[in-house]
Amino acid sequence: AQKVTQAQTEISVVEKEDVTLDCVYETRDTTYYLFWYKQPPSGELVFLIRRNSFDEQNEISGRYSWNFQKSTSSFNFTITASQVVDSAVYFCALSGNSGNTPLVFGKGTRLSVIA
Amino acid sequence: KAGVTQTPRYLIKTRGQQVTLSCSPISGHRSVSWYQQTPGQGLQFLFEYFSETQRNKGNFPGRFSGRQFSNSRSEMNVSTLELGDSALYLCASSGVTHTQYFGPGTRLTVL
Repeated sequence: AQKVTQAQTEISVVEKEDVTLDCVYETRDTTYYLFWYKQPPSGELVFLIRRNSFDEQNEISGRYSWNFQKSTSSFNFTITASQVVDSAVYFCALSGNSGNTPLVFGKGTRLSVIA
Repeated sequence: KAGVTQTPRYLIKTRGQQVTLSCSPISGHRSVSWYQQTPGQGLQFLFEYFSETQRNKGNFPGRFSGRQFSNSRSEMNVSTLELGDSALYLCASSGVTHTQYFGPGTRLTVL
């Protein structure tokens, strides 16, 4: 069975601090896909990144960066110089080998950035 | 491209009633998935439709059903509503990259 664990339920930081959101996953598939989504108070899940299991390169997009380590089954997300607009719930998700399988979500991490 | 749209955005129903939610995918996307989000259970997969066929199904009772039309629009129906069905229902569409893009959701309250 597939499982995603986000151990941090809530994180609170002061604006401009860096923050890392942890994600640990379990799967028996050799090919799989990992995702991060952001859910602001409006409720819509906003897609941030997709990474397949064969691509362990870290990725940076502006203030966002992702660290994928297959050896520890982790896909962590770092926000550099956090801003109040980053306040949201962040979900890590996993889908199986065909890419057409349903997303399995972690419980989410609520990030509050205080001005 | 327009994003995924869901109607209605908010619904209030009473126990025992039924409800139909609608989802219009991103143009060109043929797969539509539905998820239920509650504070206790988090985000749970309901079902997925592709080319008018149910391709995957989550672990929900038969009161939850769905369908997809030839234009890829999808509806989900919940019959005999229970208090526990109160949730945010999210629809997502995906295309050839299999990345799921979500709509704003329908917030259902069952009284």
